[in-house]
Amino acid sequence: AQSVTQLGSHVSVSEGALVLLRCNYSSSVPPYLFWYVQYPNQGLQLLLKYTSAATLVKGINGFEAEFKKSETSFHLTKPSAHMSDAAEYFCAVSGSGGYQKVTFGTGTKLQVIP
Amino acid sequence: SQTIHQWPATLVQPVGSPLSLECTVEGTSNPNLYWYRQAAGRGLQLLFYSVGIGQISSEVPQNLSASRPQDRQFILSSKKLLLSDSGFYLCAYRTSANTGELFFGEGSRLTVL
Repeated sequence: AQSVTQLGSHVSVSEGALVLLRCNYSSSVPPYLFWYVQYPNQGLQLLLKYTSAATLVKGINGFEAEFKKSETSFHLTKPSAHMSDAAEYFCAVSGSGGYQKVTFGTGTKLQVIP
Repeated sequence: SQTIHQWPATLVQPVGSPLSLECTVEGTSNPNLYWYRQAAGRGLQLLFYSVGIGQISSEVPQNLSASRPQDRQFILSSKKLLLSDSGFYLCAYRTSANTGELFFGEGSRLTVL
């Protein structure tokens, strides 16, 4: 069984401030972990993924995430928020190898204040 | 290159009417295909997935059904829509060559009145 918990359904940051979106996962097998971004009325776009290589993963648009097995966390960060970062962000977990179901968190809406 | 398309983008239907949402994938063979529904504030709910032609697995009991008549075509249907079927429907695919990530279509917003 696997699950994802995203802490905070809404997060507000000032433009230029640090962005931190929290994700904790539960998985009975070594996980693959993902962050997706969704803009209004659009599909989800992959930001970054962890697949058991480097624990610090860099993605698009300046985002990165660190896999911490001891904390079962995969938090998403960006040093300096931009207005264009305002969107909804989803963390997801999948088992590794073969066909595995992908389970999504409930999402965090990021508001960037000018 | 691989692409995914779904249509229609927007649909307004009366209660009790039928539904057909279509999704096609290009540039890859034998993808795993998925239908998700997104309701406001409730994340993504997996409705159906398919690992091959004619092979459909249902995750949630409901009045929706899915079919995969061709390798890269996935259809979501209903004979009679309910108000609770309103939402944003997303088709996605995954290939055996990648490391598990899903690629999503543009979404179809369904409003049942």
